[in-house]
Amino acid sequence: AIQMTQSPSSLSASVGDRVTITCRASQGISRALAWYQLKPGIAPKLLIYAASNLQSGVPSRFSGSGSGTDFTLTISSLQPEDFATYYCQEDYNSPPTFGGGTKVEIK
Amino acid sequence: QVQLQESGPGLVKPSETLSLTCTVSDDSIKNYYWSWIRQPPGKGLEWIGYIYYGGSTTYNPSLNSRVAMSIDTSKNQLSLKLSSVTAADTAVYYCARRLEYYTSSGYYYYLDVWGKGTTVTVSS
Repeated sequence: AIQMTQSPSSLSASVGDRVTITCRASQGISRALAWYQLKPGIAPKLLIYAASNLQSGVPSRFSGSGSGTDFTLTISSLQPEDFATYYCQEDYNSPPTFGGGTKVEIK
Repeated sequence: QVQLQESGPGLVKPSETLSLTCTVSDDSIKNYYWSWIRQPPGKGLEWIGYIYYGGSTTYNPSLNSRVAMSIDTSKNQLSLKLSSVTAADTAVYYCARRLEYYTSSGYYYYLDVWGKGTTVTVSS
């Protein structure tokens, strides 16, 4: 199975900060990468698919980039509702695998 | 917007079979792939498998011998069964819809709608 290494595992940031989360695949996965936002008790939310496509309804402050093995999720200006845990996921091979998650906390 | 709702016993005894249902709010259960994912306490997400509305399945090899998924299009429901459970199977279990996105460089897959999840604890 492909290993997805996500970093950092946690970060502290302030409202208005620019936040960058990275995900590295153990082998090339083209652009077969999605990003999700998880909050306790709420259905997980798709943010980005195919590495850089913004899901409908997701604020434009979220963006994704990368291809091959290295990918980035950027939040251009962190908002209070963005404090959550973020996961990358590849679906290039079976089984699909997730990164370890990045918890974004209030500074 | 389609909604998904997981349901099932919150407590299962070791060695028994965990059984969960995911109810899809509309007829979109047809023509899509549907996934199950879980998250053990304090850990990351693990993909369990997916099922196509026609009934074909693909499971995570790490769980393959214990997992069974099925679909009932007449009830708009998916089901997950995990046998011989242990404490390691304690987790929040999610169902999600898997979509495909076609580009000139190929197909890409992603989970566009998730349920809120249901917590299952394995304990005697």
